Amino acid sequence: NAGVIQTPRHKVTGKGQEATLWCEPISGHSAVFWYRQTIVQGLEFLTYFRNQAPIDDSGMPKERFSAQMPNQSHSTLKIQSTQPQDSAVYLCASSRDWGDEQYFGPGTRLTVL
Amino acid sequence: GDSVTQTEGLVTLTEGLPVMLNCTYQTIYSNPFLFWYVQHLNESPRLLLKSFTDNKRTEHQGFHATLHKSSSSFHLQKSSAQLSDSALYYCALSDGTGGYKVVFGSGTRLLVSP
Repeated sequence: NAGVIQTPRHKVTGKGQEATLWCEPISGHSAVFWYRQTIVQGLEFLTYFRNQAPIDDSGMPKERFSAQMPNQSHSTLKIQSTQPQDSAVYLCASSRDWGDEQYFGPGTRLTVL
Repeated sequence: GDSVTQTEGLVTLTEGLPVMLNCTYQTIYSNPFLFWYVQHLNESPRLLLKSFTDNKRTEHQGFHATLHKSSSSFHLQKSSAQLSDSALYYCALSDGTGGYKVVFGSGTRLLVSP
């Protein structure tokens, strides 16, 4: 079991460019979560999927952020027109069932110049 | 909605002293799941311990916590801090109704010095 896989581990973009972050959850886990972590804001919930269906995107900045889960083996988080304030570590996590622990990936550190 | 409060942003301790990190929560549901996650430097959060049983002590890796529904608390304790305990600790809540979403507190950074 390789755990949750996130790629790339580091991404540097220029202001206004697009960034796509990838997540491969643990096989057999039914829920996938995206979080953003900064020193100032801590761990912020963005969105989650259950059995590939979007369930709650209440944490997503509406205009430039989008997430998809086209199949059970991967999810993507896309940020359009990146801004310096989007710089953060983006964490993906998966869980097997409700009430179970979440397993976090290593994160993608996004730096917007 | 559900919320988790961790009142201390930073706790500094000398090695060997006891650890207590506070966590209180709010939810309208009567059977929540409470979690403590630990995040060491340059790592991702991982589960430290979890509970859903009222007044039952849960232990793992020298840490323990007891869910008290009467006071909506789930404080993390350890009898003697070690240098390796220095990390960021998150308390988290799942409402226990079958939903998967977990609400995290703001985190408490624990720094243990020699």
